[in-house]
Amino acid sequence: QITLKESGPTLVKPTQTLTLTCTFSGFSLSTTGVGVGWIRQPPGKALEWLALIYYNDDKRYSPSLKSRLTITKDTSNNQVVLTMTNMDPVDTATYYCAQRLQPLLYPAFDNWGQGTLVTVSS
Amino acid sequence: EIVLTQSPGTLSLSPGERATLSCRASQSISSSYLAWYQQKPGQAPRLLIYAASSRATGIPDRFSGSGSGTDFTLTISRLEPEDFAVYYCQQDSTFGPGTKVDI
Repeated sequence: QITLKESGPTLVKPTQTLTLTCTFSGFSLSTTGVGVGWIRQPPGKALEWLALIYYNDDKRYSPSLKSRLTITKDTSNNQVVLTMTNMDPVDTATYYCAQRLQPLLYPAFDNWGQGTLVTVSS
Repeated sequence: EIVLTQSPGTLSLSPGERATLSCRASQSISSSYLAWYQQKPGQAPRLLIYAASSRATGIPDRFSGSGSGTDFTLTISRLEPEDFAVYYCQQDSTFGPGTKVDI
């Protein structure tokens, strides 16, 4: 059974850096063809793709947020970490991590975490 | 950057009716890259369709996807009460704005 769970602060102040951790089980990020991504959703709004990391440590970022995002993996602990700098109230959203569908030819996410709501406010 | 447009914004239907949701890309895309998700309030999205027309594991066959190039469609043949939700299309690193299917 595959599970993913997001963790991190629920409240951050403007200009601070957000660090979110995705802890997963049921698969390994050292296995060929595996990828884990981050997607966010502001309250009442649509999904927004943020970043993706692959088994071979290749990374992709949203062009509009690339300068603020860093995604890393800790294979031994089955975790993926997303950092976002210079947080702003518009970054208030539910942040999801999700596993990429295999094979990687299909850029969809078939297993999702429950999401974590992050509020940016002073 | 490819932009996805979904229509209609809201679709008001009754159980048993057929739902047809549209996703249009700003330029031609590979069908392999088009996916559809269902999201209910307070829940994470659920993958329904990938590669434009392949159902994900465990998805009922009343859900079907079609299309190519710039125009793609998600069809729900007969709406069940649990199908009332918001539906998003995705092309690689871009999501559409969503279509709400409500009663």
